[in-house]
Amino acid sequence: GEDVEQSLFLSVREGDSSVINCTYTDSSSTYLYWYKQEPGAGLQLLTYIFSNMDMKQDQRLTVLLNKKDKHLSLRIADTQTGDSAIYFCAEKKRAGSARQLTFGSGTQLTVLP
Amino acid sequence: GAGVSQSPSNKVTEKGKDVELRCDPISGHTALYWYRQSLGQGLEFLIYFQGNSAPDKSGLPSDRFSAERTGGSVSTLTIQRTQQEDSAVYLCASSTLLGGEGTQYFGPGTRLLVL
Repeated sequence: GEDVEQSLFLSVREGDSSVINCTYTDSSSTYLYWYKQEPGAGLQLLTYIFSNMDMKQDQRLTVLLNKKDKHLSLRIADTQTGDSAIYFCAEKKRAGSARQLTFGSGTQLTVLP
Repeated sequence: GAGVSQSPSNKVTEKGKDVELRCDPISGHTALYWYRQSLGQGLEFLIYFQGNSAPDKSGLPSDRFSAERTGGSVSTLTIQRTQQEDSAVYLCASSTLLGGEGTQYFGPGTRLLVL
């Protein structure tokens, strides 16, 4: 199975909150990331959280990290149609020389008017 | 400022042909990564360059895949004798090695279609 798991689809109404969930398996992960990919585009970094933090807030985005359960979530408040995209969770497994990220398969967020 | 650029944006080739994909990282970024994104899949790590160190090639799926980085900047990913299963979006990213989080900045990708 995948190291990083996400549900494939999420639909919300415009103005509601969206919560995208992610589970990872490597307890030594140092940083966890959320990237956004719009159709036909590359990945855009939304936010990241260091593993010794529980929460990080940035405007409409709130990241929650439960290290015990290896669970990461991204909450988007007041979701807009422009938030429709694929959201990827990623982990950096350890500090040092191994710097590549391990990505989940992405969650397709659809915002309905 | 300029971000990561990749060329070509799209490439259609015939099975068995060789292709070269190019990545220009952000100026000053010493780390460069190649990933592959197949339809409906997450990103699959291919190769990582860090300064003058030997690259981490652990993600390359076969010996038909190779990459080089000349002068510590531009990188080329080469796929020889392409197969239909090589069809994917190839993404390049770069980062600094300063600080812990080493945020990776991605290019727009090259969409490869092997007929």
